[in-house]
Amino acid sequence: TQLLEQSPQFLSIQEGENLTVYCNSSSVFSSLQWYRQEPGEGPVLLVTVVTGGEVKKLKRLTFQFGDARKDSSLHITAAQPGDTGLYLCAGAAETSGSRLTFGEGTQLTVNP
Amino acid sequence: ETGVTQTPRHLVMGMTNKKSLKCEQHLGHNAMYWYKQSAKKPLELMFVYNFKEQTENNSVPSRFSPECPNSSHLFLHLHTLQPEDSALYLCASSQDLLVAGYTDTQYFGPGTRLTVL
Repeated sequence: TQLLEQSPQFLSIQEGENLTVYCNSSSVFSSLQWYRQEPGEGPVLLVTVVTGGEVKKLKRLTFQFGDARKDSSLHITAAQPGDTGLYLCAGAAETSGSRLTFGEGTQLTVNP
Repeated sequence: ETGVTQTPRHLVMGMTNKKSLKCEQHLGHNAMYWYKQSAKKPLELMFVYNFKEQTENNSVPSRFSPECPNSSHLFLHLHTLQPEDSALYLCASSQDLLVAGYTDTQYFGPGTRLTVL
């Protein structure tokens, strides 16, 4: 059974600060996705990374897939209140069929 | 608006009630999913349907009964639930089924917040 551990579980910062969220596993994933979920809504896909060492940027968000494809990080530069939400990582493994493995999530609050 | 709608958005029911959750996707996708999201726990996949056929049942108790009459609609019938079944139930769809690590984008609905008294 693949498990994804996210850290930290909760993060409260001031507007303008930088932050990094981590997603770690002992299992290898073929690809990894990051989602953001806002209150009262379902998760929305931010990015998919598929190659070990891959770095993708989405405006102020930078996503990295570990070289061994066991971990990933999300870095936000100059956080804004609109970045507030639950950030979820989800991995797909060749042995997991049609199943995505989700982490527990990081609840981010950016205070103005 | 992701193209996936769920009704009702909130539901309170007693343990002896029977209710149904509805999901509809307007994206022309072939695969649909039910997930359970509980506080401080990862999203749990419950059921997967592909072209109306159930392809996965993740050891879900029989008090949860899915139905997929066509590729656009998915239901979750609930009966004799327990208080620990209280959670956010999310529906999702994707163009094709996630197979062997190939990831297709899943589009989630807003969820139904279920409370079992």
